[in-house]
Amino acid sequence: DAGVIQSPRHEVTEMGQEVTLRCKPISGHDYLFWYRQTMMRGLELLIYFNNNVPIDDSGMPEDRFSAKMPNASFSTLKIQPSEPRDSAVYFCASTTQNPEAFFGQGTRLTVV
Amino acid sequence: DQQVKQNSPSLSVQEGRISILNCDYTNSMFDYFLWYKKYPAEGPTFLISISSIKDKNEDGRFTVFLNKSAKHLSLHIVPSQPGDSAVYFCAAASNDYKLSFGAGTTVTVRA
Repeated sequence: DAGVIQSPRHEVTEMGQEVTLRCKPISGHDYLFWYRQTMMRGLELLIYFNNNVPIDDSGMPEDRFSAKMPNASFSTLKIQPSEPRDSAVYFCASTTQNPEAFFGQGTRLTVV
Repeated sequence: DQQVKQNSPSLSVQEGRISILNCDYTNSMFDYFLWYKKYPAEGPTFLISISSIKDKNEDGRFTVFLNKSAKHLSLHIVPSQPGDSAVYFCAAASNDYKLSFGAGTTVTVRA
């Protein structure tokens, strides 16, 4: 398996634009997580899904953030409109029936 | 509210010596603890874990110790190798699989 695949690896966008981050979890994994890494807050959980259903979105910072998982092999994290403070590295991770999650390589988002 | 704390931002160790990384947690509901390793521009990679029913878990050069009464765990790497230079994150989970991470410790192994 190729592991968790995220795209794009880097994204630079202007403030106010919509940004969509994509994730393909490892086949067979039924849990998918979105994390964000910043200097100020470290690695923090934004939202997670189980069997494509959002279970806990309490970490989503604002209504500008939304996440979907239309099927077992694809998830998106959307920011609309984006702001400079959204600049961070966003990680997607997946697992099945244990906490040892596998992480993707991340998307480095820069909002200017 | 930081429930997992790594109070040492950095650690420098000579090749061949032992590296000891420390981690403290505050949430008594945590029952599974993990260490992740991260290289620049890559995602965190799972290294080793321990369940709260154990006090030690060993995997090759890596050993994790858990002291539940003190809410403290540590990672020992022996012997340290240059390839071990990375950022190490301590993480904890309760009955769901959400991970709470510490701030990380940057390990530098000197030749």
